[in-house]
Amino acid sequence: NAGVTQTPKFQVLKTGQSMTLQCAQDMNHEYMSWYRQDPGMGLRLIHYSVGAGITDQGEVPNGYNVSRSTTEDFPLRLLSAAPSQTSVYFCAAGQGTTPAFGSGTRLTVV
Amino acid sequence: AQSVTQLDSHVSVSEGTPVLLRCNYSSSYSPSLFWYVQHPNKGLQLLLKYTSAATLVKGINGFEAEFKKSETSFHLTKPSAHMSDAAEYFCVVSEWNTGFQKLVFGTGTRLLVSP
Repeated sequence: NAGVTQTPKFQVLKTGQSMTLQCAQDMNHEYMSWYRQDPGMGLRLIHYSVGAGITDQGEVPNGYNVSRSTTEDFPLRLLSAAPSQTSVYFCAAGQGTTPAFGSGTRLTVV
Repeated sequence: AQSVTQLDSHVSVSEGTPVLLRCNYSSSYSPSLFWYVQHPNKGLQLLLKYTSAATLVKGINGFEAEFKKSETSFHLTKPSAHMSDAAEYFCVVSEWNTGFQKLVFGTGTRLLVSP
């Protein structure tokens, strides 16, 4: 039982490049979300989804796109990376009393 | 909107001594509260959760937290620290928004454990 799987674990991008952070869950949760973690700021919500085909913006959505075509997958897209997007990104699945997190993707934009 | 304040950015203890990590929350109704732990270069692991049942919540690895509504606090404690407890700890309150339960994180407390 893998839970929430994020790939890649590490990535270095040049400014202006695009990429997709992958998130997959095998728990059949309707709710999935993306957070970014920056020093001294805890985790902040980027985008979330309450089910396939339904997404909405969180606290810091600018520069990121998401889609949810299946229950299992919730990719996060950076269309034109900026140094301000250097961060650690966490995907979460489920809500209520037991949201589960992936192990994170450490992204550096140079 | 709900919020969480972790009162200490760093806490240093010696191995075998008690641990206290402080968290105050702001909520307009009965909240759900969590403590997560993050070891260096690792993901987030749920330590314990409060969901309006017993006010004293026991978690994994000997940690526990007490919900005090009158003080709007949810402090995390452990009687005796172990070297393996060195990590960053996040207090989290949940907030419902248009059918989605958003997790609001505190800024974290780094626990340092010395031999």
